[in-house]
Amino acid sequence: DAGVIQSPRHEVTEMGQEVTLRCKPISGHNSLFWYRQTMMRGLELLIYFNNNVPIDDSGMPEDRFSAKMPNASFSTLKIQPSEPRDSAVYFCASSLNTGNQPQHFGDGTRLSIL
Amino acid sequence: SQKIEQNSEALNIQEGKTATLTCNYTNYSPAYLQWYRQDPGRGPVFLLLIRENEKEKRKERLKVTFDTTLKQSLFHITASQPADSATYLCALEQGNNNDMRFGAGTRLTVKP
Repeated sequence: DAGVIQSPRHEVTEMGQEVTLRCKPISGHNSLFWYRQTMMRGLELLIYFNNNVPIDDSGMPEDRFSAKMPNASFSTLKIQPSEPRDSAVYFCASSLNTGNQPQHFGDGTRLSIL
Repeated sequence: SQKIEQNSEALNIQEGKTATLTCNYTNYSPAYLQWYRQDPGRGPVFLLLIRENEKEKRKERLKVTFDTTLKQSLFHITASQPADSATYLCALEQGNNNDMRFGAGTRLTVKP
């Protein structure tokens, strides 16, 4: 069984550039979550989708961040323009959309903005 | 404001001993609580879920308790092994959509 697949695993880019992170959830899962993890702030929820529809994006830090889920098997998180303070590990997770379900995480994208 | 606090940033114990990690929460009324393990360079991995009406849950060498009066969960690893060294995160549901909020984690090191 393939787990949650994220790409790229590492991204280094200069500030001001557009960054696109990608996620393929586990087949059959209808909830998808984007998180950001830093030493200072831990694991923060950015946005989550149920059945491809964004439910809560209150964790998205600024308008520079946007997320889409065009279909059940793909989601993107975009940062435009990127800034050094966006440097973090970004995780995608998926789960079934019923009560008491564990989330299954990808291995993250380590993003460094220079 | 809502808070999830895990007792310490790091915990060091000797192999064979029982590790006990604490998760306290404020201004949540969770129907259930989850514990995850995270290894360096990897995403969190689900370990255990305990519901509000369950006092205790066990899985092999792991045991979780959930006290909704104290607003606290304890996570125990018995007969700890160096392979148990990792960061352990507790998570609470916010709302009813599997929207989980995570504690900062406790980094456990088991020394041989």
